[in-house]
Amino acid sequence: DADVTQTPRNRITKTGKRIMLECSQTKGHDRMYWYRQDPGLGLQLIYYSFDVKDINKGEISDGYSVSRQAQAKFSLSLESAIPNQTALYFCATSDGTGGSTDTQYFGPGTRLTVL
Amino acid sequence: GQQVMQIPQYQHVQEGEDFTTYCNSSTTLSNIQWYKQRPGGHPVFLIQLVKSGEVKKQKRLTFQFGEAKKNSSLHITATQTTDVGTYFCAGPSTGNQFYFGTGTSLTVIP
Repeated sequence: DADVTQTPRNRITKTGKRIMLECSQTKGHDRMYWYRQDPGLGLQLIYYSFDVKDINKGEISDGYSVSRQAQAKFSLSLESAIPNQTALYFCATSDGTGGSTDTQYFGPGTRLTVL
Repeated sequence: GQQVMQIPQYQHVQEGEDFTTYCNSSTTLSNIQWYKQRPGGHPVFLIQLVKSGEVKKQKRLTFQFGEAKKNSSLHITATQTTDVGTYFCAGPSTGNQFYFGTGTSLTVIP
């Protein structure tokens, strides 16, 4: 959806560098998520936030950190990138009104390569 | 932890053939969602099933939720080239985290 944007769309970096991936949404949703996609592994949840003051670890949070700057913005940081963090990263939002049945709306993804 | 597996991982079919992907969870799910990701794209929500034994249809797509709410299936009748992509199931854990299945990549040969 154009309502969820991610920057950059592609990034190549070197081992040890700090990287920030940004996500913005105009859907007015409270809930935001960061996922990582690797071939054959589906989508794995890194972090999620149900409102500006709420941050929760997902399945694979080690090596990552997040910041929820506003309702509309949720950024993902790799403090010291390593090659096995090479993956496709997706941001997603949901409106939170359905409890555990939230529909996820995804951004276009950021392809990150760590050399 | 919760695991959601899908089989097969890959499926190649001739255009016009049927296709089915199966989703199996290690724990009971309160509901299940299905998403489609076109090549080079992002996952897009298709449907949600909530009730035990529920069956829903969207044109040529039929979605089923198992009686025990631990498995689900997506069946496509008479595939078309527009069906190409990866299909994911997703189910919630406690705390509202979503666990996505491993996905089934469908290739349709014209």
